Amino acid sequence: GENVEQHPSTLSVQEGDSAVIKCTYSDSASNYFPWYKQELGKRPQLIIDIRSNVGEKKDQRIAVTLNKTAKHFSLHITETQPEDSAVYFCAASSPTGYSTLTFGKGTMLLVSP
Amino acid sequence: DTAVSQTPKYLVTQMGNDKSIKCEQNLGHDTMYWYKQDSKKFLKIMFSYNNKELIINETVPNRFSPKSPDKAHLNLHINSLELGDSAVYFCASSQRAPPVSTEAFFGQGTRLTVV
Repeated sequence: GENVEQHPSTLSVQEGDSAVIKCTYSDSASNYFPWYKQELGKRPQLIIDIRSNVGEKKDQRIAVTLNKTAKHFSLHITETQPEDSAVYFCAASSPTGYSTLTFGKGTMLLVSP
Repeated sequence: DTAVSQTPKYLVTQMGNDKSIKCEQNLGHDTMYWYKQDSKKFLKIMFSYNNKELIINETVPNRFSPKSPDKAHLNLHINSLELGDSAVYFCASSQRAPPVSTEAFFGQGTRLTVV
């Protein structure tokens, strides 16, 4: 089945800096790559996603890039703010896996004022 | 008008007890899931149901039994609870449209504590 590796496990930045979280996946059939943000005590919520026919997608301060050949994708957050502090999860979904999301182990992002 | 709702939000129980967690979605999705989030925050798929049929059953003790009375509901029953079952359990739903995958919506989670 699919295996998703996520790095780093923790990331501390100063407010205004950029943050980058990287993931790799194993199933070349995977075609959907969402990113979820989970604040303390809350449910995971989708912040951005990308499909395998696209190389990059942006939404205000966040962007995701996908390299299908290398089977890795990354989340980029620019001009970080304290409210960006949370755990971020990458995930991959493959039609061969019934489209179920396989998650990375999460990155705890801490943005210091 | 919560999209995916699960109850209870907190559950404290003694070892050996049997408990259930209920989940309902009003999004019209055809696929529902149970994920377990351990103390290290890892989200691991337990079960996946599509149109009331089990399609994924990961390596989960058979003390865990999901039940889907209809495609809007997926309940999780746990027998003979053990200390290691303590975790946050998330229900989620999505619409399968192979070969295209879609966003999964999560419930608010049930924090299970076994004492």
